[in-house]
Amino acid sequence: GQNIDQPTEMTATEGAIVQINCTYQTSGFNGLFWYQQHAGEAPTFLSYNVLDGLEEKGRFSSFLSRSKGYSYLLLKELQMKDSASYLCAVYTDKLIFGTGTRLQVFP
Amino acid sequence: EAGVTQFPSHSVIEKGQTVTLRCDPISGHDNLYWYRRVMGKEIKFLLHFVKESKQDESGMPNNRFLAERTGGTYSTLKVQPAELEDSGVYFCASSPRGGAFPTWGYTFGSGTRLTVV
Repeated sequence: GQNIDQPTEMTATEGAIVQINCTYQTSGFNGLFWYQQHAGEAPTFLSYNVLDGLEEKGRFSSFLSRSKGYSYLLLKELQMKDSASYLCAVYTDKLIFGTGTRLQVFP
Repeated sequence: EAGVTQFPSHSVIEKGQTVTLRCDPISGHDNLYWYRRVMGKEIKFLLHFVKESKQDESGMPNNRFLAERTGGTYSTLKVQPAELEDSGVYFCASSPRGGAFPTWGYTFGSGTRLTVV
């Protein structure tokens, strides 16, 4: 079966750092994606990991450990506009999504 | 370049009626995907077209759902007759032709919010 787990909700303060974890058990693995989705909008690409380690892109970083079936998305210097849902998705022969983590950033 | 466009953005229909959702992928993208998010659940795969051919329709819930992509351009997803449990947000996504998987993943549309009452 396919199983991708993320926390349902998280809260953080503007300017802080937040880490969103994702664990997965899938039949096949060809990469892991993180998407951001604001309410009523399309999911938009944030990051892609296919090898173990950390990928950094400005305020956003994503980490992957294939042996542990684990990834996290790290958001630094949080801004109010970062309030959104963050979707972890594993690519097997198609994208398989977790339920998403709703992040609320407070002033 | 224009993104993935979906019509309508919202649809409210009565149980038993028919609804047709449309997706216009990014021009030149051979791969087109349909996904659905039911409230409180994850975004789930429905099916995958490569040009006009159905590559994988393993996620289609039942035979009340019919997807087409005539000519390999836009796609339609028809639900007939609609049931209450069909309510949710239907997303379409596209990606370029085969070969190396694009490291930016799929490009998604904003979705069609379907409410069956």
